[in-house]
Amino acid sequence: GEDVEQSLFLSVREGDSSVINCTYTDSSSTYLYWYKQEPGAGLQLLTYIFSNMDMKQDQRLTVLLNKKDKHLSLRIADTQTGDSAIYFCAERDSNTGKLIFGQGTTLQVKP
Amino acid sequence: DAGITQSPRHKVTETGTPVTLRCHQTENHRYMYWYRQDPGHGLRLIHYSYGVKDTDKGEVSDGYSVSRSKTEDFLLTLESATSSQTSVYFCAISWTAEVEAFFGQGTRLTVV
Repeated sequence: GEDVEQSLFLSVREGDSSVINCTYTDSSSTYLYWYKQEPGAGLQLLTYIFSNMDMKQDQRLTVLLNKKDKHLSLRIADTQTGDSAIYFCAERDSNTGKLIFGQGTTLQVKP
Repeated sequence: DAGITQSPRHKVTETGTPVTLRCHQTENHRYMYWYRQDPGHGLRLIHYSYGVKDTDKGEVSDGYSVSRSKTEDFLLTLESATSSQTSVYFCAISWTAEVEAFFGQGTRLTVV
């Protein structure tokens, strides 16, 4: 089946940029997504990118998509302590239409 | 916040007992989903609904059933709970099939 991989942990200093990386296997995915989960809460959709795009920017968030390498990244500029959370990458399985999630990357922001 | 409520938020039940989790939305969204979240697995889709009385299986549907008799409610039932169903369950809703836009706060279920 399709698979999505993420590194499990990232630690940055407040004010630095954070880059969270993700690789996926379904080359026919139409949409790729980033979700944020704060402690004790559900997932919050941060942004998503259509597969015919290379980049999408939304305020402090920049998503880069490299279809050739099946690599997706989320850059958070000027990272704040409120950005501390688990970030999930997900792809839309082109066969089933279902969302396939990565394991999540825990972002720790140190003051 | 989107109008999506899960109940109960926490439940402890014994092996072999039936359990029903409820997801209620006030957004009138067509699509509703049940996911489970386990350490090392991210989220996995259990069942989803694309309209009243229209449901389909997800990735990990064995041992679960669902019902959607009205737009606002999507019920997840464990007919006979097992310890492997100890998990955090999330409901999601969306107006489109392309994006699971809003998630509930989750139900932590422990089967002892």
